[in-house]
Amino acid sequence: KQEVTQIPAALSVPEGENLVLNCSFTDSAIYNLQWFRQDPGKGLTSLLLIQSSQREQTSGRLNASLDKSSGRSTLYIAASQPGDSATYLCAATDRGSTLGRLYFGRGTQLTVWP
Amino acid sequence: EPEVTQTPSHQVTQMGQEVILRCVPISNHLYFYWYRQILGQKVEFLVSFYNNEISEKSEIFDDQFSVERPDGSNFTLKIRSTKLEDSAMYFCASSEEFPRGYTFGSGTRLTVV
Repeated sequence: KQEVTQIPAALSVPEGENLVLNCSFTDSAIYNLQWFRQDPGKGLTSLLLIQSSQREQTSGRLNASLDKSSGRSTLYIAASQPGDSATYLCAATDRGSTLGRLYFGRGTQLTVWP
Repeated sequence: EPEVTQTPSHQVTQMGQEVILRCVPISNHLYFYWYRQILGQKVEFLVSFYNNEISEKSEIFDDQFSVERPDGSNFTLKIRSTKLEDSAMYFCASSEEFPRGYTFGSGTRLTVV
């Protein structure tokens, strides 16, 4: 069974800082890994999807990397803004699942203050 | 951008009652999923659905739960005889192709009293 862990659990930084959020997973046989953003009481917004054959994906100020051999992914946020404040969730699928069931971490709660 | 739509956004029900949570996936998507998130806990998989049948279900998805795609657009989760511990945010998700990324709906907050 896939286990996903995210560190740190919470992060509070001043505006403008570059950030790294970490995600680790126990089973390297994954189809893909997806990063989501969750605002309080809201749904999950997909940020980046990395297929198992890829090493990284970029979208604007976000960059996610994937290292299957070590079971790790990082989400890099450049020049953070107060609007980035949210919980960031990492989710991995594993090849033992029929239709790519996602296993989620607990998330990193990010606060960016002005 | 296409969205997954869930209704209602919030539902309060009495213990023992049946509830139906509704989802309209993105129109060209073929793979459908339900997840839930109990307050303060991880998002957990419930069930996946493809070609009008359940593909996989978790240990949470017992006889109390059922899913249906009654027509070409809706995907529903029925919870029979709700319990207090069923209180959670329920998310519907869909995917166009496997293994591609998911699109999640904004969720239904279910409160069982």
